[in-house]
Amino acid sequence: DAGVTQSPTHLIKTRGQQVTLRCSPKSGHDTVSWYQQALGQGPQFIFQYYEEEERQRGNFPDRFSGHQFPNYSSELNVNALLLGDSALYLCASSLGVLGQPQHFGDGTRLSIL
Amino acid sequence: AQRVTQPEKLLSVFKGAPVELKCNYSYSGSPELFWYVQYSRQRLQLLLRHISRESIKGFTADLNKGETSFHLKKPFAQEEDSAMYYCALHAGGTSYGKLTFGQGTILTVHP
Repeated sequence: DAGVTQSPTHLIKTRGQQVTLRCSPKSGHDTVSWYQQALGQGPQFIFQYYEEEERQRGNFPDRFSGHQFPNYSSELNVNALLLGDSALYLCASSLGVLGQPQHFGDGTRLSIL
Repeated sequence: AQRVTQPEKLLSVFKGAPVELKCNYSYSGSPELFWYVQYSRQRLQLLLRHISRESIKGFTADLNKGETSFHLKKPFAQEEDSAMYYCALHAGGTSYGKLTFGQGTILTVHP
C-alpha cells in the first residue's frame, strides 16, 4: 500500500495563474482533507471532502476550491495565485468524516513567482 | 475556536537525557489530542494519540484537562528521535475531521 499519494511533487507558477493539485487517499479511506503549510509553520486546515461534498472549511478564501471523485481521490484548485500562496500543500486521508488518525502524503511544494 | 501552542521552536538534548516537548491547547469542549512526527525526508506521521494511552518508541503523553496540556515525554532520548514534532487537536462534532496544529518543535538529540 503506497499510502496517500500526491502529484505533482513540485510546481512553479506565476501570480494570477491557476493551479490544480491531486491526491489519492490511502487504500480503504474515504475522506480527504487538505492543509497548507507555510515555511516554519504547522499545517493549516483548508477543507475536508467526504462523499464528494465539502464538509468543513478553514479560514481560506473562495479562491481555494476542491473536488472529490467517486473513487475518493481529490483535487485542490487555487485561482488567481498570490505570492502568499507559496507553501507546501498536504493531503491527508482517513476513514469516515470524523475519522482519526489522518494519514498524510508527502505534499506538493508550490512556488509562486 | 481551537488553538494549539508549542512554546519551544527548538529543543536540544544529549543522548540518554530526558526530553519533554510542551503542548498547550485552548478549547472549551473535550478534544482529542495527537502528536505527529516528521523525520528528515519523511512524511508527517502519527506518533501517538491520547485515547490510545500507549507508549510509542518510548514516548508517552498524558492529557491534563486542568492545565489544558498534552506534553510529550521520553525518559532517555535517542539520536534517532531527532525530528520535527507537531501537537494537534481534533475538536470533533461540527469540526468534522479538522486538525488544528501547533507550530512544531524541532528536537535535536546530540550524541
